[in-house]
Amino acid sequence: AQSVTQPDIHITVSEGASLELRCNYSYGATPYLFWYVQSPGQGLQLLLKYFSGDTLVQGIKGFEAEFKRSQSSFNLRKPSVHWSDAAEYFCAVGANNAGNMLTFGGGTRLMVKP
Amino acid sequence: KAGVTQTPRYLIKTRGQQVTLSCSPISGHRSVSWYQQTPGQGLQFLFEYFSETQRNKGNFPGRFSGRQFSNSRSEMNVSTLELGDSALYLCASTLTGLVTEAFFGQGTRLTVV
Repeated sequence: AQSVTQPDIHITVSEGASLELRCNYSYGATPYLFWYVQSPGQGLQLLLKYFSGDTLVQGIKGFEAEFKRSQSSFNLRKPSVHWSDAAEYFCAVGANNAGNMLTFGGGTRLMVKP
Repeated sequence: KAGVTQTPRYLIKTRGQQVTLSCSPISGHRSVSWYQQTPGQGLQFLFEYFSETQRNKGNFPGRFSGRQFSNSRSEMNVSTLELGDSALYLCASTLTGLVTEAFFGQGTRLTVV
């Protein structure tokens, strides 16, 4: 069975600083990996996804993520954080033999200091 | 194009009652998944429906059930509500039956008192 770990529950960065959110997954085959963002009281919005090919994927809102098979990681990055990026971020993994079932990490809450 | 619509947005129920939540997927999408989100357990998969058939089910008691109609709209039902069922219930819609990006609704916030 697949699993996802997001080691950082809370992260605070200053506006304009760079950001990296960590995600480690456990899955026997090539995973399908996703990053979602959730604002308070809202649903999840997809930031980016990795299925295969180029291991550096670009997403919306200036986010990117890099798939590293050797480290079982899929970390999310942004070079310069904006106050509007404050939200909760979820990493998720899907399996190609499990329909559309996603397994989510526990989430990382991002706070942005002015 | 309209997104995923979940109704109602907020619901307050009493212990022991039952509740039905509704999800209308994006037009043309055939797969609907349901997730429960709580502060303690995070996001947990409930079940997935594709072409009116339940394909996957998470580790929840039988009080949680669902169905999908021929127009792909889905409902989930929780019977004999418990305080611990208080959560944000999210519905996700995907185009096909394969793993691909899922589009989420805004959720239904259920409070059991």
